[in-house]
Amino acid sequence: EAGVAQSPRYKIIEKRQSVAFWCNPISGHATLYWYQQILGQGPKLLIQFQNNGVVDDSQLPKDRFSAERLKGVDSTLKIQPAKLEDSAVYLCASSSNILAGGETQYFGPGTRLLVL
Amino acid sequence: AQSVTQLGSHVSVSEGALVLLRCNYSSSVPPYLFWYVQYPNQGLQLLLKYTSAATLVKGINGFEAEFKKSETSFHLTKPSAHMRDAAEYFCAVRNNAGNMLTFGGGTRLMVKP
Repeated sequence: EAGVAQSPRYKIIEKRQSVAFWCNPISGHATLYWYQQILGQGPKLLIQFQNNGVVDDSQLPKDRFSAERLKGVDSTLKIQPAKLEDSAVYLCASSSNILAGGETQYFGPGTRLLVL
Repeated sequence: AQSVTQLGSHVSVSEGALVLLRCNYSSSVPPYLFWYVQYPNQGLQLLLKYTSAATLVKGINGFEAEFKKSETSFHLTKPSAHMRDAAEYFCAVRNNAGNMLTFGGGTRLMVKP
């Protein structure tokens, strides 16, 4: 079974530029999550999708961050414009049907973003 | 709201010694608890999880954790450390409503030869 795929793996941009990250979850997983992991900290949830609907985006800085999962499969996270403090690893995770015991989240390798 | 505290951001043990990584949680509902491991430049890999069944949970790579409600703890242990165990370990608690995970700050385990 293929795992969660993310691209790119690394990205360097200058502040005020825009950037987009892509995630392909495990096949059949309805729930998709985006986390931000700042160096030396644990991951923090940014947004959670159930199919193509948003379940929780309370910690997403909506003035600059946006995310979509139009067809309920792949997802894109965008930052526009980027700030220095956005330098972090962006992790995507997915899980299967929560009601059927699918509480385990499976993580991708992450995208490491450096904003200069 | 749920929260997780991992005592000790760095733990160093000798190869073959006992590994003990501490995790305390707070939760207003019976928690689901997880331990994940992160190797350099990789994503998080599930070690084990507690989902209200047996309080002693066995995971991969010889790790286990015990849920103690009275102490609100879910410490991770391994009887004998191996060099390949050197990594960062994260404890997390689940928000039952939406499966959202709240992570601790992580503990970096170093294993000395």
